[in-house]
Order: sequence, then structure tokens, then C-alpha cells
Amino acid sequence: NAGVTQTPKFQVLKTGQSMTLQCAQDMNHEYMSWYRQDPGMGLRLIHYSVGAGITDQGEVPNGYNVSRSTTEDFPLRLLSAAPSQTSVYFCASSPALPNTHSGNTIYFGEGSWLTVV
Amino acid sequence: AQSVSQHNHHVILSEAASLELGCNYSYGGTVNLFWYVQYPGQHLQLLLKYFSGDPLVKGIKGFEAEFIKSKFSFNLRKPSVQWSDTAEYFCAVRDDYKLSFGAGTTVTVRA
Repeated sequence: NAGVTQTPKFQVLKTGQSMTLQCAQDMNHEYMSWYRQDPGMGLRLIHYSVGAGITDQGEVPNGYNVSRSTTEDFPLRLLSAAPSQTSVYFCASSPALPNTHSGNTIYFGEGSWLTVV
Repeated sequence: AQSVSQHNHHVILSEAASLELGCNYSYGGTVNLFWYVQYPGQHLQLLLKYFSGDPLVKGIKGFEAEFIKSKFSFNLRKPSVQWSDTAEYFCAVRDDYKLSFGAGTTVTVRA
């Protein structure tokens, strides 16, 4: 069971380039999300999805697009990379919505280190 | 969305000292509360979580946390730290679909 898999682990981009960070989970989780981690700011939610075909914006969505065509995959697209998008990106998934009896935990991928020069 | 405050940015301790990290969130209702740890160069790992029931929650590696609803707090404690507890610690609150994180507390344990 691989859990939450993110690729690539490291990437350097030039300003203006586009790229996609891949996220896949093999646990049949409904809920998936993307966070960015910056020093002194914790993790901030970029976009999230509560199921295939459904996505919504988080706290810092500008400059990013997502789609959820399958339950397993939730790619994050940088449309035109900017130095301000230099960060560590974490994908996360969870089997159910919050406030259920099971109170499911959110599982994180290992992170993708992105540098935009 | 929830706002999560962690009181300390950096804590430096000696081995065997006790640790307490503060965490407050902004509003009530039914929330799920978490503490995550991130060791240098690694991803987030769950230390403990609270959903309901006993407000004193025990987690892995000897950590515990106490949920005080009236204070909107979920403080993390460990009676005796080890050098291997050097890491960054994040409090998180799940409200509806969103998991909101505090800014994190860096804990440095000196041998």
C-alpha cells in the first residue's frame, strides 16, 4: 500500500514556465488537498477536492489549477511559475469528510520541493 | 476559516526537560484537532488527534495533548524530552472540509 505519492520530489523552474505536480493515492480516499509550506507560515491550503469531478479553492489558490478526473489522482498545475511560488508542496488525502464518527485522519505525501528562479 | 495560533516560534530545551506547546483556534463548534511533527527533511507525521470523548489525548512517542473547549485550546505536552524530539511541531484544526495549520513551533533539544 503506497499511501499518498507525490512526484516530482524536487523541481527547478524558470519564471513563466508551467508544470504539474502529481499526486496519487491508492486508498480510495474521497478527500484530497494541496498545501504549500513556507517558513513561519505553517501549511496553507491551495485547493481541495471532496470527490471526483469536484474541486474548490482554499486559502491561497491564485496561480494554481487543479482537476479531479479520478478518485486516485489530484494534480496541481502551476500555470506560469513565479518566484513567490518557491515552496514545499504537500498533497493530502482522507477517506471521509470531517465530523463523522470515525473522525478520519488526513494522510500526507512526502512533499515536493519547488524552486522558481 | 479557522485561525490557528501557536504561541512559540522556537523553543530550546535540554534533554529530560518538560515540554509544553500552546495552540489556540479561533472559534468553536465541532472541530477535529491534530498535532503533527515534521523532522528535518521529512514530511508531516501525525502525533495525536482529538475528535470526541476524553479531552486528554495520548499520542505516539510519549506525547499527550489536552483539549479545553472553553479556552479553544489544544496544548501539546511531553514530560521528558529527548534529543530525537528536535523537530517542527504543527497544530491543526479541521473544520468542515478544511484543515488549518498553525505557523509551527521549532523545538530544539540539546543533549
